[in-house]
Amino acid sequence: QITLKESGPTLVKPTQTLTLTCTFSGFSLSISGVAVGWIRQPPGKALEWLAFIFWDDDKRYSPSLKSRLSITKDTSKNQVVLTLTHMDPEDTATYYCAHTAWFTWQTTRHYYFDYWGQGTLVTVSS
Amino acid sequence: QSVLTQPPSASGTPGQRVTISCSGSSSNIGSNFGYWYQQLPGTAPKLLIYRNDQRPSGVPDRFSGSKSGTSASLAISGLRSEDEADYYCAAWDDSLSTWVFGGGTKLTVL
Repeated sequence: QITLKESGPTLVKPTQTLTLTCTFSGFSLSISGVAVGWIRQPPGKALEWLAFIFWDDDKRYSPSLKSRLSITKDTSKNQVVLTLTHMDPEDTATYYCAHTAWFTWQTTRHYYFDYWGQGTLVTVSS
Repeated sequence: QSVLTQPPSASGTPGQRVTISCSGSSSNIGSNFGYWYQQLPGTAPKLLIYRNDQRPSGVPDRFSGSKSGTSASLAISGLRSEDEADYYCAAWDDSLSTWVFGGGTKLTVL
């Protein structure tokens, strides 16, 4: 059974750095093909993909946030950590981590989010 | 402004069939696969459809997905009150090198 849970501060000040931890169970990030992603959702708004980290430590970031984002993994602790620098009130959102499944189509591997954590609301305010 | 376009709202009565559309472009749905997520109030998104038309185990066959050209669709038949939720489409965009989501469709069961 795959489960994920996000943890971190609920309130950060503008210009500070946000650090969120995703602790998961039911799978290992050391297994080929496995990945974990982060997605956020501002209150009342749509979902926005932030980043992926793969079993081989390959990382992909949203181009619009790439300069502010960092994603790392600790395989021994079953954790993935996301940092977002220079926080702004517009970064107020519920942040989700998600297990990423995949399938192969015409030699290309396609990833998608199947299991999601419950999310954690982060408010940016002074 | 979302890259994938969904109607903001949809509605139906119990037992009816409802369809939600998702319009994209050649760089996302047109050249990749469409996905659908259901988000019940106050909860995390749940995967409903992957690879255009595949249902994960546990998702009722009342939910079905399709793709035609640069658009994807989600159909819900035998509508139930518990289907009242927000529905989001998603796809990978080759030009933007990012996952893109629709703006979401709020489904009301009358």
